[in-house]
Amino acid sequence: GENVEQHPSTLSVQEGDSAVIKCTYSDSASNYFPWYKQELGKGPQLIIDIRSNVGEKKDQRIAVTLNKTAKHFSLHITETQPEDSAVYFCAASNGNNRLAFGKGNQVVVIP
Amino acid sequence: DGGITQSPKYLFRKEGQNVTLSCEQNLNHDAMYWYRQDPGQGLRLIYYSQIVNDFQKGDIAEGYSVSREKKESFPLTVTSAQKNPTAFYLCASNHPYSNQPQHFGDGTRLSIL
Repeated sequence: GENVEQHPSTLSVQEGDSAVIKCTYSDSASNYFPWYKQELGKGPQLIIDIRSNVGEKKDQRIAVTLNKTAKHFSLHITETQPEDSAVYFCAASNGNNRLAFGKGNQVVVIP
Repeated sequence: DGGITQSPKYLFRKEGQNVTLSCEQNLNHDAMYWYRQDPGQGLRLIYYSQIVNDFQKGDIAEGYSVSREKKESFPLTVTSAQKNPTAFYLCASNHPYSNQPQHFGDGTRLSIL
């Protein structure tokens, strides 16, 4: 089955700087890649997703890039704010409606 | 507002006891899912259901059971056969078409007394 890995496990950034989280996947048939943000004691919230027919998608301060050849995709957060501090999960699916999740990245924005 | 409601937020289980976690959605989604989350781990799929009266095992179904009698509801029972049930349990739902986003509830934290 699909194996998704996230790096780094913890990321600390100064407020206003950019944060980048990278995920790799193993199944070349995967064609859907969502990113979720999870705050303490809450469920994951979808923040952005990308499908394999595009290489980049942007929504305000958040962007996702996809490299199908290398089988990796990245989340970019610009102008980070304290409220961006959370655990971020990437996931991948090959269209079978089952998501394979990475283990998550703890992002800490230092004021 | 449409959403997914999980209850209770905290649950305690005694040895040898079965407990049932509730998940209700009013998003008109056909598909529903149960995940288990352990500290520092990703989400692992327990069971999922694409339509009423049908469900399939996920990656870690042993010691769990589900039912899907109504579109809005997908309860999860943690049986006494699950030897390590302490975890955060998350329910999700979506339209069962290819690559539709899954939306999550706020989870139930289960602990052993």
